[in-house]
Amino acid sequence: EVRLVESGGGLVQPGGSLRLSCATSGFDFGQSEMSWVRQAPGEGLEWVSVSSGRNAGRTHYIDSAKGRFTISRDNSKKTLYLQMNSLRDEDTAVYYCARVPDHWGQGILVTVAS
Amino acid sequence: QSVLTQPPSVSAAPGQKVSISCSGSSSNIGRNSASWYQQVPGTAPKLLIDERYNRPSGIPDRFSGSKSGTSVTLVITGLQTGDEADYYCGTWDDSLSIYVFGSGTKVAVL
Repeated sequence: EVRLVESGGGLVQPGGSLRLSCATSGFDFGQSEMSWVRQAPGEGLEWVSVSSGRNAGRTHYIDSAKGRFTISRDNSKKTLYLQMNSLRDEDTAVYYCARVPDHWGQGILVTVAS
Repeated sequence: QSVLTQPPSVSAAPGQKVSISCSGSSSNIGRNSASWYQQVPGTAPKLLIDERYNRPSGIPDRFSGSKSGTSVTLVITGLQTGDEADYYCGTWDDSLSIYVFGSGTKVAVL
């Protein structure tokens, strides 16, 4: 059974930091491109970042995340991470870990507010 | 504004057919086609059709996809009340080097 379980979300003040984790099982994590996708309240899906499995040095980010977010992975633990710094109100969203397009986690809420 | 354009909503009676369009460009759908996702509010997106037009196990053949040029279309036949959800297209954009989603289409069963 494929499982992706996000953790690390919560309430943080503007300018603060959070580290999301995504523990996976049931598929070949090491060979998989893994992404973070977010969805602000009442809005559509927005892809945030990707980490390549075969070449973990290959990462991409949306412009609003560049310089603030860092995606990383531990293939030995089959876990994906998203370090989020300098958080802004507009980063408030449910964050999904995904092996786009076929495997998705249940999502974790990140709320940035004072 | 989304890189991929979808109609905000479509509706039809039970048993009828709906089509959802997703329009992109040569740097995304034109090169890579697109996947289709279903999202019931409050739940995670679920893959309906991948970029090779394959349906994952458990997705009924009432859902089908096609491509023409820089657009893709999702067709739902035999519409059921359980099909009420938001539907998104998504694909990699080679020029932007990001994955892009459509703005989403809400399907209502009348």
